[in-house]
Amino acid sequence: KNEVEQSPQNLTAQEGEFITINCSYSVGISALHWLQQHPGGGIVSLFMLSSGKKKHGRLIATINIQEKHSSLHITASHPRDSAVYICDNFGNEKLTFGTGTRLTIIP
Amino acid sequence: GAGVSQTPSNKVTEKGKYVELRCDPISGHTALYWYRQSLGQGPEFLIYFQGTGAADDSGLPNDRFFAVRPEGSVSTLKIQRTERGDSAVYLCASAETGGLETQYFGPGTRLLVL
Repeated sequence: KNEVEQSPQNLTAQEGEFITINCSYSVGISALHWLQQHPGGGIVSLFMLSSGKKKHGRLIATINIQEKHSSLHITASHPRDSAVYICDNFGNEKLTFGTGTRLTIIP
Repeated sequence: GAGVSQTPSNKVTEKGKYVELRCDPISGHTALYWYRQSLGQGPEFLIYFQGTGAADDSGLPNDRFFAVRPEGSVSTLKIQRTERGDSAVYLCASAETGGLETQYFGPGTRLLVL
């Protein structure tokens, strides 16, 4: 069964802190997809990666294929980063999403 | 530029009724995805179109759900004999070619079945 687990489920941090959100999956993938869902519900695709690391601004995503694990890092976190971050197993198989990590950054 | 649009933004219907949800992808995008998100849950894949054809419909929960994309652009998700459990936000996303690339999401249609 293809399962995707995220941790932590909820994370509250002070502005400026370094944030790490983890995603583990059970079935080999073609790529892992990180999404950001804003409080109003809108979804933004952040990264799609199949190996190594990708960086965009203050966001960094890494993946370890052997360990079936990916992390999303946010440097110098800001209140506008507050959102739900979702990872999904993107590939030829049926897509499976994690339930998300709710991040709250306090000014 | 224009992003992915979905109509209606909200739909309230009664149990047993038929509903259609529309998605207008970004112009020129050949890949189109439908997802469903229930309250407090992550999105759930429903179906993926590549052009006019459904490349993967394994996420459709049962035969009450059907989606079309007859001209390779606009897609319609159709739900027959709606049930209360169908209440969710239905999200559409498009991508330029499909595969390992960014998906652009629409604002969603919030469906409530009474």
